[in-house]
Amino acid sequence: DAKTTQPNSMESNEEEPVHLPCNHSTISGTDYIHWYRQLPSQGPEYVIHGLTSNVNNRMASLAIAEDRKSSTLILHRATLRDAAVYYCILRDRNYGGSQGNLIFGKGTKLSVKP
Amino acid sequence: DSGVTQTPKHLITATGQRVTLRCSPRSGDLSVYWYQQSLDQGLQFLIHYYNGEERAKGNILERFSAQQFPDLHSELNLSSLELGDSALYFCASSVTLASGAGGTDTQYFGPGTRLTVL
Repeated sequence: DAKTTQPNSMESNEEEPVHLPCNHSTISGTDYIHWYRQLPSQGPEYVIHGLTSNVNNRMASLAIAEDRKSSTLILHRATLRDAAVYYCILRDRNYGGSQGNLIFGKGTKLSVKP
Repeated sequence: DSGVTQTPKHLITATGQRVTLRCSPRSGDLSVYWYQQSLDQGLQFLIHYYNGEERAKGNILERFSAQQFPDLHSELNLSSLELGDSALYFCASSVTLASGAGGTDTQYFGPGTRLTVL
């Protein structure tokens, strides 16, 4: 499976934008880029995913580099509730039944200061 | 609220014992995944069921087993428990079978069961 690399931790101030980077230099042409986050004492939750184009939803934006070797999750205005571990995960769009599970790395622990 | 429920929320037991963790997926979801989260190993995939059938196994010990019932709820059975089995156990559900989902299906996680083995 293609691997992702994320910083161990990042800090942000409340109400400021946050850019969470992810490197995936071995990404294949059929890999989607997914982001999940895990708030303290909760299960992971889906944030966003994309293939080639930048994506926006109510939670965040995903900016994908033109060569797809890196991506950035953007939280436009961080709130205290956004303090969590953010995971960048690759998922092959052609995967078979044995590859439906998510493969979590260590993720980036985001701290948000008031 | 993801719509996925897990019971119990906390479980404290002794080494050598057997426990059963229960997961009810979101309405309409046919796939159930089990994950283990420990401090040293992070989130690890254990097993995947789709519509009652086992589809994939990950780092699941032989002492652990699971099943998915006709009503689609799933149970994870952990036996001969050891101290190292203490962890958070999450289940997740998704609507699709992994194959054919095109890499786009979303997994919805339950709140987890915290298992403590003393």
